[in-house]
Amino acid sequence: SQKIEQNSEALNIQEGKTATLTCNYTNYSPAYLQWYRQDPGRGPVFLLLIRENEKEKRKERLKVTFDTTLKQSLFHVTASQPADSATYLCALDVLDSNYQLIWGAGTKLIIKP
Amino acid sequence: ETGVTQTPRHLVMGMTNKKSLKCEQHLGHNAMYWYKQSAKKPLELMFVYSLEERVENNSVPSRFSPECPNSSHLFLHLHTLQPEDSALYLCASSHSMTGEIYEQYFGPGTRLTVT
Repeated sequence: SQKIEQNSEALNIQEGKTATLTCNYTNYSPAYLQWYRQDPGRGPVFLLLIRENEKEKRKERLKVTFDTTLKQSLFHVTASQPADSATYLCALDVLDSNYQLIWGAGTKLIIKP
Repeated sequence: ETGVTQTPRHLVMGMTNKKSLKCEQHLGHNAMYWYKQSAKKPLELMFVYSLEERVENNSVPSRFSPECPNSSHLFLHLHTLQPEDSALYLCASSHSMTGEIYEQYFGPGTRLTVT
């Protein structure tokens, strides 16, 4: 079955540094991969979508890479700020369903001032 | 705000109660979703509606019953729940088109506690 792994340990980063989060998957070749941010008590918020034929996508201080050979996506937050502290979720599409995403459990990012 | 609202935000119910969760989206989307989120676990897709027809039902117990009267509204009817059903219930919406995946917009969720 499809499996997504995100680092379950919280990631502590000093303000101003680059935070890198990892999303690994097995037993599947997704066409799309999405990253979401979730704050406590709130629903996830969409950040970026990257397609299998795209190596990298950027949005302001965010950068996502997608390596289909390694079956891995990296999510970078550059010049990190305390306001970037949140849980970040990755999600992959399932080709046999037009509507279903498979989700990782998320990684909690803590930016220390 | 994301354009997706959910009520109530918090709900405590006994195992013999019947209650309903409500979701409304103001984004013009034609697909709506119910997810269950438990602590430190991935989002679990419960139901998907596209163009008001249910297209996915991931083997959810019958004590959860969805209803989608139109493309803007989605309900989750609850009855005789179990304590393990306590979780955050999230509603989401998106565009839908065969062969395409779109980003999903989530509501704030309903924190459900079953006593």
